[in-house]
Amino acid sequence: GQQVMQIPQYQHVQEGEDFTTYCNSSTTLSNIQWYKQRPGGHPVFLIQLVKSGEVKKQKRLTFQFGEAKKNSSLHITATQTTDVGTYFCAVKNSGYALNFGKGTSLLVTP
Amino acid sequence: DTGVSQDPRHKITKRGQNVTFRCDPISEHNRLYWYRQTLGQGPEFLTYFQNEAQLEKSRLLSDRFSAERPKGSFSTLEIQRTEQGDSAMYLCASSLGNTGELFFGEGSRLTVL
Repeated sequence: GQQVMQIPQYQHVQEGEDFTTYCNSSTTLSNIQWYKQRPGGHPVFLIQLVKSGEVKKQKRLTFQFGEAKKNSSLHITATQTTDVGTYFCAVKNSGYALNFGKGTSLLVTP
Repeated sequence: DTGVSQDPRHKITKRGQNVTFRCDPISEHNRLYWYRQTLGQGPEFLTYFQNEAQLEKSRLLSDRFSAERPKGSFSTLEIQRTEQGDSAMYLCASSLGNTGELFFGEGSRLTVL
């Protein structure tokens, strides 16, 4: 199925700093989803991007889908301790499965 | 609570034993997924149901694993002759039609001794 690479694997920031995670594919994607998993929790859907070059915002979170639909990014402005967790991108394979990247774990220090 | 529920939340078993997990999806959701997640990894797809039909299984899924969704509502995932490598969090998720968004349960954590 579709494979996606996420970078970085870990990120440690001071509260108030910005954070960005990237998701890259070698093939063109039909769409991409982002999920957040808090420590000890389960993945929670954040957003789905479908259109080339799409940019969506949710408060301090900005999601982008690349023009070629092969990459995506999640940017958090002015991180807060509540942003701690692992952020996953996920893409559909040729069938029904949604394949998840390995995630970027974000640690925010007060 | 109208979310996805999974039972049991924790299971400790000895190697060689069989275990069964149950998932109750959100009631109107016709699509149900099973995933496995180990520490530091993303959820790994295991299998997918649309209503009662199992339409996709991961090629990585051992024949010791079997899943059912007999009436298109709840689903069970059985692991036979468990091995230590089966220790993981087993996540169930459901979705409605083509909306795409998956709603995950809290998971069933399996520890095989």
